[in-house]
Amino acid sequence: NAGVTQTPKFRILKIGQSMTLQCAQDMNHNYMYWYRQDPGMGLKLIYYSVGAGITDKGEVPNGYNVSRSTTEDFPLRLELAAPSQTSVYFCASRKGADTQYFGPGTRLTVL
Amino acid sequence: QKEVEQNSGPLSVPEGAIASLNCTYSDRGSQSFFWYRQYSGKSPELIMSIYSNGDKEDGRFTAQLNKASQYVSLLIRDSQPSDSATYLCAVNWGDSSYKLIFGSGTRLLVRP
Repeated sequence: NAGVTQTPKFRILKIGQSMTLQCAQDMNHNYMYWYRQDPGMGLKLIYYSVGAGITDKGEVPNGYNVSRSTTEDFPLRLELAAPSQTSVYFCASRKGADTQYFGPGTRLTVL
Repeated sequence: QKEVEQNSGPLSVPEGAIASLNCTYSDRGSQSFFWYRQYSGKSPELIMSIYSNGDKEDGRFTAQLNKASQYVSLLIRDSQPSDSATYLCAVNWGDSSYKLIFGSGTRLLVRP
């Protein structure tokens, strides 16, 4: 099992550009999550999904969108990037109440 | 507003000592509590989970939960320099989505 994979590892965007952060898991987990982590801070939940076709907002959803067309994939879309979106983005998945597994993260800088 | 509070540290202990990390939470409905370790530049990894009041031990790690006082703690015995990391406390949101709310983390430094 590859676990939770994320691409790209690093990205620099200009203000106003858009991009999609990719997340995939091969553990057949129904729950998937996107977090952002600013320097010296904990993780803030952006969006989550409880299964294919079902998504909902977390604590900090503004400026982001998600989709979940398959169990395996949960991409995060940034529209009109802003410097405030400079952060490290983590995708995570779990099967119900079991352990939550994190991907390696994407470090995004918006200039 | 659901909140999880941790002292940001750094907590500095000598090698071989006991490190004590604390966390308080605001939602009385929370039932599941987790400690994650995060090395610099890496993703969080789960080291302990606890669901019932009392202590839970796993090797050098002991998690303690007191729901009445709304706090959870992590003790690391015989601390090693390799334990130097940021420790994140996480609490289940309390609904069926299994969302986790994270504290800002406590940085632990173990001095050789």
